[in-house]
Amino acid sequence: GESVGLHLPTLSVQEGDNSIINCAYSNSASDYFIWYKQESGKGPQFIIDIRSNMDKRQGQRVTVLLNKTVKHLSLQIAATQPGDSAVYFCAEKTQAGTALIFGKGTTLSVSS
Amino acid sequence: DVKVTQSSRYLVKRTGEKVFLECVQDMDHENMFWYRQDPGLGLRLIYFSYDVKMKEKGDIPEGYSVSREKKERFSLILESASTNQTSMYLCASSRMYNEQYFGPGTRLTVT
Repeated sequence: GESVGLHLPTLSVQEGDNSIINCAYSNSASDYFIWYKQESGKGPQFIIDIRSNMDKRQGQRVTVLLNKTVKHLSLQIAATQPGDSAVYFCAEKTQAGTALIFGKGTTLSVSS
Repeated sequence: DVKVTQSSRYLVKRTGEKVFLECVQDMDHENMFWYRQDPGLGLRLIYFSYDVKMKEKGDIPEGYSVSREKKERFSLILESASTNQTSMYLCASSRMYNEQYFGPGTRLTVT
């Protein structure tokens, strides 16, 4: 069946470092991927998305990389700040599907 | 900005009560979703709706029902609340084939 997983449940970094959060997906038919950030007590917040016709997309301080060959997705955060501390979820969707399938999340902790 | 609002941030109900959770979005999105979020289990889809009066079961629909009478409003109903339905409930909306926008969540405790 479909599943979206993250390699590490927790990641701790120092302020100013670059963070890389990884995600593996199993459905080769998935063609749309999203990263969400969820701060304590809040709903998930959209960070960045990528479609399967791309392998890289950049936003403000964030980059998403998609490797369809190995079905791997990553989120890179440059110059990580304490405000980046949160749980990060990847999600996937197939063209035929309406609903997203979410991974279980990686908790990013940033120490100053 | 897209805004998704949920009727309550915190709710405490007794076992056996009928519970209504309301969600409203202001961006004319076609799709609306209800998830529950539990530690270690991530977000699990309960129901979604792709149009008024249309609904589809998600991964864990048992014990829940939904109603979508107007495009902007999607209600989740717990017919007879049980303690195992204590959870964080998240509503989301989206256009077709686009990202979902989430509300702030309702933390429901059933005692």
